[in-house]
Amino acid sequence: NAGVMQNPRHLVRRRGQEARLRCSPMKGHSHVYWYRQLPEEGLKFMVYLQKENIIDESGMPKERFSAEFPKEGPSILRIQQVVRGDSAAYFCASSSPGGVEAFFGQGTRLTVV
Amino acid sequence: GQQLNQSPQSMFIQEGEDVSMNCTSSSIFNTWLWYKQDPGEGPVLLIALYKAGELTSNGRLTAQFGITRKDSFLNISASIPSDVGIYFCAGTNSGNTPLVFGKGTRLSVIA
Repeated sequence: NAGVMQNPRHLVRRRGQEARLRCSPMKGHSHVYWYRQLPEEGLKFMVYLQKENIIDESGMPKERFSAEFPKEGPSILRIQQVVRGDSAAYFCASSSPGGVEAFFGQGTRLTVV
Repeated sequence: GQQLNQSPQSMFIQEGEDVSMNCTSSSIFNTWLWYKQDPGEGPVLLIALYKAGELTSNGRLTAQFGITRKDSFLNISASIPSDVGIYFCAGTNSGNTPLVFGKGTRLSVIA
């Protein structure tokens, strides 16, 4: 009965590189949400996806950031040409169809050097 | 956009004391959720509230959904060291919509 799985837990990238963050939702969950957390801050919504569809990307920066949730495999949050300001903890959450409760993974802590 | 305000921002208490924290919103929510985040970990769901006026307990935790649907509080009784962490409130208005989070209340427990 695995929960939401995120990998890697920690990711270090040099400025200009690409970061790929993966999220496998809980079994039976088809809705995935990505949030970003800066140190000493709350969780900021980025994007909401269902299988093969982006439902709401209102919190996602317009450039360099993209997300997908393919028919098979995990959801991916991609950050291209990373900058120091992208350093943060990125959390994925999932919910069941119609569910209001979202369950979180352990996060990926991205450090850009 | 919708915003949630949590207070206090941080608190230091003695082990064994009771704790109370609250969350207010500029707009109505139909569901309130309380999460706890330990250092280096993801938020863990503590309590979900679905109905205005609802009072729900989970062990030493008690949470209430305000009558106006614009606020909620969380109480922790007889605090212990493992209660240390950040407590977040979150609101939503329907299933499968992104949660709106407060900035958290940071709890420290002094043994």
